[in-house]
Amino acid sequence: DTGVSQDPRHKITKRGQNVTFRCDPISEHNRLYWYRQTLGQGPEFLTYFQNEAQLEKSRLLSDRFSAERPKGSFSTLEIQRTEQGDSAMYLCASSLKNIQYFGAGTRLSVL
Amino acid sequence: GENVEQHPSTLSVQEGDSAVIKCTYSDSASNYFPWYKQELGKRPQLIIDIRSNVGEKKDQRIAVTLNKTAKHFSLHITETQPEDSAVYFCAARSVKAAGNKLTFGGGTRVLVKP
Repeated sequence: DTGVSQDPRHKITKRGQNVTFRCDPISEHNRLYWYRQTLGQGPEFLTYFQNEAQLEKSRLLSDRFSAERPKGSFSTLEIQRTEQGDSAMYLCASSLKNIQYFGAGTRLSVL
Repeated sequence: GENVEQHPSTLSVQEGDSAVIKCTYSDSASNYFPWYKQELGKRPQLIIDIRSNVGEKKDQRIAVTLNKTAKHFSLHITETQPEDSAVYFCAARSVKAAGNKLTFGGGTRVLVKP
């Protein structure tokens, strides 16, 4: 599968723990996005990278959230001191021009 | 910022009938409108998109129409089949948005009854 891949697919954690998700975009896609999707809702934008530069962050991205794309290829999203409200599907997408291709997401459950 | 509203939230149709999903957007600077289909447990997949310089686009059984004046766009699925059952999301991108950020509607769950 040469599409966007995300790891892990599922993560269960206890409140207060830190979690990190990884996204591998489609090769040569210079743009990478993180979205959050809660049950019954559409994806909500979190942050965007062009190459290694993080160019925009949503107000949804509190200071407990940090994202990196150190070499302009894969990206990581870390959530510190998780809260139950962080439970959601975290989707990654990549693009070269207009069309965004999504990964299957990481489903986070905070107990 | 951009706001996208999508209706209906659920849609049940008989196989072979047509399905129509409507979206409105708030930012007149939006110029790109993709539609994604998401099956249960799977990734959102682009099924069709339209740019603001075009009023209608068709691809086999699916079509999208755009009314820039009214700031609304619609997805039309004809001759629906059971495999069309999924959640459909509309989205909009504003030229003011950094890096092609998409704003999504809340989704429409479509059920095609055989």
